[in-house]
Amino acid sequence: KAGVTQTPRYLIKTRGQQVTLSCSPISGHRSVSWYQQTPGQGLQFLFEYFSETQRNKGNFPGRFSGRQFSNSRSEMNVSTLELGDSALYLCASSLAWTSGYGEQFFGPGTRLTVL
Amino acid sequence: EDQVTQSPEALRLQEGESSSLNCSYTVSGLRGLFWYRQDPGKGPEFLFTLYSAGEEKEKERLKATLTKKESFLHITAPKPEDSATYLCAVRGGGGNKLTFGTGTQLKVEL
Repeated sequence: KAGVTQTPRYLIKTRGQQVTLSCSPISGHRSVSWYQQTPGQGLQFLFEYFSETQRNKGNFPGRFSGRQFSNSRSEMNVSTLELGDSALYLCASSLAWTSGYGEQFFGPGTRLTVL
Repeated sequence: EDQVTQSPEALRLQEGESSSLNCSYTVSGLRGLFWYRQDPGKGPEFLFTLYSAGEEKEKERLKATLTKKESFLHITAPKPEDSATYLCAVRGGGGNKLTFGTGTQLKVEL
């Protein structure tokens, strides 16, 4: 069974630009969560989607947004990039949102560098 | 607000030298404590889920245990390939949001 895939794996952008990252969950998984990982803050929750609806959101500014498609694939967008947005962006998938149990499986991440 | 604290931040062991990593947590309504392993430049790899105090899970040289306030990841006779950052996370409340600790960076030397 294929794991979580994320594209692109690496991105270099300049301040003020916007970026879109993509995530394809494990086949059959319907919930997708996004996390930002930096050396200083560790893994921080961004948001999660289930059935094309945002179910939960972390403490990030509105420049960070996302969406989920009917096939469960998800994208996240960061507008007006800042130097501090440089990070590893991780996507995780799980079977369902309301199950209360079950694991999240992570993709390899997208390394975003903002110059 | 859910909180997770891991200790030590870094740990250096000799091959075969057993030890334990600690994860202390506060959460409203625990719906799972998770252990992940992360290698440099890669996404976290799932290891264990624990749901209730007293539960234990084992996989090869790793054993995870859970109490009402903390979890331990015991590493028995580690090998160099066990070198990685080990992350602890909790899920509480609604949805699938995980709150992570900052991890323990483990290095096992020959």
